[in-house]
Amino acid sequence: DTGVSQDPRHKITKRGQNVTFRCDPISEHNRLYWYRQTLGQGPEFLTYFQNEAQLEKSRLLSDRFSAERPKGSFSTLEIQRTEQGDSAMYLCASSYSRNTEAFFGQGTRLTVV
Amino acid sequence: GENVEQHPSTLSVQEGDSAVIKCTYSDSASNYFPWYKQELGKRPQLIIDIRSNVGEKKDQRIAVTLNKTAKHFSLHITETQPEDSAVYFCAASSEGGKLIFGQGTELSVKP
Repeated sequence: DTGVSQDPRHKITKRGQNVTFRCDPISEHNRLYWYRQTLGQGPEFLTYFQNEAQLEKSRLLSDRFSAERPKGSFSTLEIQRTEQGDSAMYLCASSYSRNTEAFFGQGTRLTVV
Repeated sequence: GENVEQHPSTLSVQEGDSAVIKCTYSDSASNYFPWYKQELGKRPQLIIDIRSNVGEKKDQRIAVTLNKTAKHFSLHITETQPEDSAVYFCAASSEGGKLIFGQGTELSVKP
């Protein structure tokens, strides 16, 4: 297992288009988190899963964002009708359980033009 | 709401000196406090963490202290080296185990 992997690494899209990102966590990890990071800021929590159940979604997250984790394995994050303000690094992390080390993927850098 | 404040935002030290980064958190239920190091263009990586039943933890040149009463925790790096230069983030666990991150400290170690 080589750690958390994310795909794609970079995505450039036109405003108004939909985009989908994928995260493959470390295989034995039950918890999967999505964060967004903009330049000069810390990662901002978006949502997290325990197995296939989405347990929390940030109140700051617009309805244009949706995430899934079918079968408790990989996860996808979809952004509909992208806006320029969505441009950021989207980070995925996984952990074995609550309050244990969260391992981050390399992120997907989204640029909305 | 849940919040983590981190200071300073930038820190410049001479090689061999110590560096201290401080964080405060708002959620009294937080019980797990990790510190991450992020080099330019790379993923955040855990360098040390502490749980609420411990006041201090040390790993070689890195130590973390926690004051639950004051809701403060700090990262101490001794004998800094140029390769310690990076952005450091503190975080506090919140309901359900999600992490709330501070704004980051850009540490520069000058040779």
